[in-house]
Amino acid sequence: SQQGEEDPQALSIQEGENATMNCSYKTSINNLQWYRQNSGRGLVHLILIRSNEREKHSGRLRVTLDTSKKSSSLLITASRAADTASYFCATPNQGGKLIFGQGTELSVKP
Amino acid sequence: EAGVAQSPRYKIIEKRQSVAFWCNPISGHATLYWYQQILGQGPKLLIQFQNNGVVDDSQLPKDRFSAERLKGVDSTLKIQPAKLEDSAVYLCASSLRPDTQYFGPGTRLTVL
Repeated sequence: SQQGEEDPQALSIQEGENATMNCSYKTSINNLQWYRQNSGRGLVHLILIRSNEREKHSGRLRVTLDTSKKSSSLLITASRAADTASYFCATPNQGGKLIFGQGTELSVKP
Repeated sequence: EAGVAQSPRYKIIEKRQSVAFWCNPISGHATLYWYQQILGQGPKLLIQFQNNGVVDDSQLPKDRFSAERLKGVDSTLKIQPAKLEDSAVYLCASSLRPDTQYFGPGTRLTVL
């Protein structure tokens, strides 16, 4: 069964707007990771947030983690057409295996 | 630094045929992963190697799938015989540390 579930499944916004994607997970974690996948390509690691962190920034990306609610959010500010991709959260299970959610498909219209 | 290389990029076969995928990880990365990604879903780990040893193959359908990493570098994933439900993108990833995996472009398999 999948550990992480993203919400929404699809999101369409205009360039310049902010995009927020959410991820919920089931069991306790050491860290949570976000990946991006452009159409027809492999996944690219975006950011990792550890269980003792609440917020992390990387450029236009802001990730929050709420371990009490078992949820995380990824915010992309001032979106660009090049941000169009699928975004996945992933959490390692007890054996260290990464479990991915189903992803959020983001479309940024110019 | 060269990324993870995979070939072929696309493959179309008929059911019951065999197919093999190849992966060359980033130099120095001891851990190599094969994932299966069905359309509309996230990747699912099939097998994980640490050097040339298998760490986790619990999700690998061993009746038809096999993988090897003989010299602890390149790896091949084979499906024999293929079924319609094997249509997916097969992703290879490698890592130096467990926290960050680097993915190849994937092989898109279509089984007719």
